[in-house]
Amino acid sequence: SQQGEEDPQALSIQEGENATMNCSYKTSINNLQWYRQNSGRGLVHLILIRSNEREKHSGRLRVTLDTSKKSSSLLITASRAADTASYFCARIQGAQKLVFGQGTRLTINP
Amino acid sequence: EAGVAQSPRYKIIEKRQSVAFWCNPISGHATLYWYQQILGQGPKLLIQFQNNGVVDDSQLPKDRFSAERLKGVDSTLKIQPAKLEDSAVYLCASSILGGSQETQYFGPGTRLLVL
Repeated sequence: SQQGEEDPQALSIQEGENATMNCSYKTSINNLQWYRQNSGRGLVHLILIRSNEREKHSGRLRVTLDTSKKSSSLLITASRAADTASYFCARIQGAQKLVFGQGTRLTINP
Repeated sequence: EAGVAQSPRYKIIEKRQSVAFWCNPISGHATLYWYQQILGQGPKLLIQFQNNGVVDDSQLPKDRFSAERLKGVDSTLKIQPAKLEDSAVYLCASSILGGSQETQYFGPGTRLLVL
């Protein structure tokens, strides 16, 4: 498959808890990106981490990258109901082609 | 700043019929992408344009799918004839130049159901 592996496929947690999603890939990367998709706002870019970076933060989001293990994780802290969505990792293949994983469906329960 | 516009939002057709989708990217964005997203999967790139030229159409089923971006601005994606397995959301995205460090901005998508 051209797509990476995301784990877990589905995650359900209580509001206020932290959510961690993982992404693995097979080929070397220049960068890895995370996107969120929900019915209200469609597919939205969250964060980009370059291959020479190990960790990046944006608000309640923390992304880590381990190029030796070809894996990345997305941590959402203090989750809110509005965080309910599908989360995708995406890597660049070749010069410009963005290849998405299959996604993690996150549900935040009130 | 206006986002990526797509129409229609929903379309239901019967197999073997034809359908066309329209996309207007963010003003000034040179690169335009069409993705197919089947239920439960991530988006898959169908075709990428840089201005009015095709950069990558390796995953476009060319026997039934076609796309054009004649003036380097808006674009249409056509399916003729449609098959049941074409049921999916068709997403259009754009970016400034298409570089590997750039963010892609996605439209709301067109949800296609083929009966």
